[in-house]
Amino acid sequence: TAGITQAPTSQILAAGRSMTLRCTQDMRHNAMYWYRQDLGLGLRLIHYSNTAGTTGKGEVPDGYSVSRANTDDFPLTLASAVPSQTSVYFCASSDSSENNEQFFGPGTRLTVL
Amino acid sequence: GQNIDQPTEMTATEGAIVQINCTYQTSGFNGLFWYQQHAGEAPTFLSYNVLDGLEEKGRFSSFLSRSKGYSYLLLKELQMKDSASYLCAAMDSNYQLIWGAGTKLIIKP
Repeated sequence: TAGITQAPTSQILAAGRSMTLRCTQDMRHNAMYWYRQDLGLGLRLIHYSNTAGTTGKGEVPDGYSVSRANTDDFPLTLASAVPSQTSVYFCASSDSSENNEQFFGPGTRLTVL
Repeated sequence: GQNIDQPTEMTATEGAIVQINCTYQTSGFNGLFWYQQHAGEAPTFLSYNVLDGLEEKGRFSSFLSRSKGYSYLLLKELQMKDSASYLCAAMDSNYQLIWGAGTKLIIKP
């Protein structure tokens, strides 16, 4: 079982360009999350989805959008990247019947120049 | 507001015991999680406490006091591979995790 996969592993992006970070899970978890992790700060929630077809805003949603068309996929889109979006992005999933333990993907390291 | 506090960095000796403390303030409470994160890798689950008391799992134990908004992670018989960051996270009333910045644990021979 793969668990959660993310693509790409890393990316350098010019400011103003758009990009979609991909996330897929094969555990049939109902909830999925996108976090960013910056040095000296805790994981910060960008967007989440409690079930397919629904999404919600987290702590730092500005500049990002998500969709949840099905259970497995939860892409994160940056419409017009800015240097402050340089970060490591983690996708995670959880099942409310399993203590809501979150399982994380390997991360995407994004640099916006 | 919601807040998680934990030390930024700790140093310990191989074979010894270390305790990493965490205090939390959240809107509602649905449990306390500890995760381990090696440099350049994703966080991995260590423990979950929702009731007061100590949960033991091999060399790792986690304690919770809900009345004090306090938890600790205890690591025994430290090994070099335990060098990592340890993340404390509290689940709020909306079942969202509020994360601390992490404690970087350095193990010396």
